[in-house]
Amino acid sequence: GAGVSQSPRYKVAKRGQDVALRCDPISGHVSLFWYQQALGQGPEFLTYFQNEAQLDKSGLPSDRFFAERPEGSVSTLKIQRTQQEDSAVYLCASSLSDGETQYFGPGTRLLVL
Amino acid sequence: AQKITQTQPGMFVQEKEAVTLDCTYDTSDPSYGLFWYKQPSSGEMIFLIYQGSYDQQNATEGRYSLNFQKARKSANLVISASQLGDSAMYFCAMREFDSGNTPLVFGKGTRLSVIA
Repeated sequence: GAGVSQSPRYKVAKRGQDVALRCDPISGHVSLFWYQQALGQGPEFLTYFQNEAQLDKSGLPSDRFFAERPEGSVSTLKIQRTQQEDSAVYLCASSLSDGETQYFGPGTRLLVL
Repeated sequence: AQKITQTQPGMFVQEKEAVTLDCTYDTSDPSYGLFWYKQPSSGEMIFLIYQGSYDQQNATEGRYSLNFQKARKSANLVISASQLGDSAMYFCAMREFDSGNTPLVFGKGTRLSVIA
């Protein structure tokens, strides 16, 4: 079956622009996670949804970062007024339920100039 | 404090040889899971293998096996019969289960290069 998909795959933004990153989880997966991966580092947790409920947003680095999953399927990570330090790969993962193995999408590479 | 430590930034292995990638972890939670992911240059994180803290036997998945030494808090990945396609970044990750819905915590990764 189809895996996790993310769009766009690449995004270049000017500093101060708003961006929206989309994640389509595996069909039927209840849990959805967003991670940020800086160059040369492992992914770091941003936020977690169970269905449409955002249960943990402790990893969001500032109030410029906002995520939603209004119908419990597709999720969008929005970054307002982007800054250069936001440049990273943003990975989305889904799992059948909480505690199950997480399957990752290909990521969105964001470059803020 | 680092929860996951991968001390090898880079490793080289000859094709068809076996290689061990090191991972140590730190937790006081008795219930946890350890994961290994592969990240090729395309960027996608590919799940390889899982070991639960209460599992009695070491996990195996095809050419991948996990050398789980609970007392030493290590969970090394062994890749047998390396192939050129195994060249990638490899990440060890952990999730604690007794503390509620905790996210995966990743190490910094090891870059594996397989030489023909």
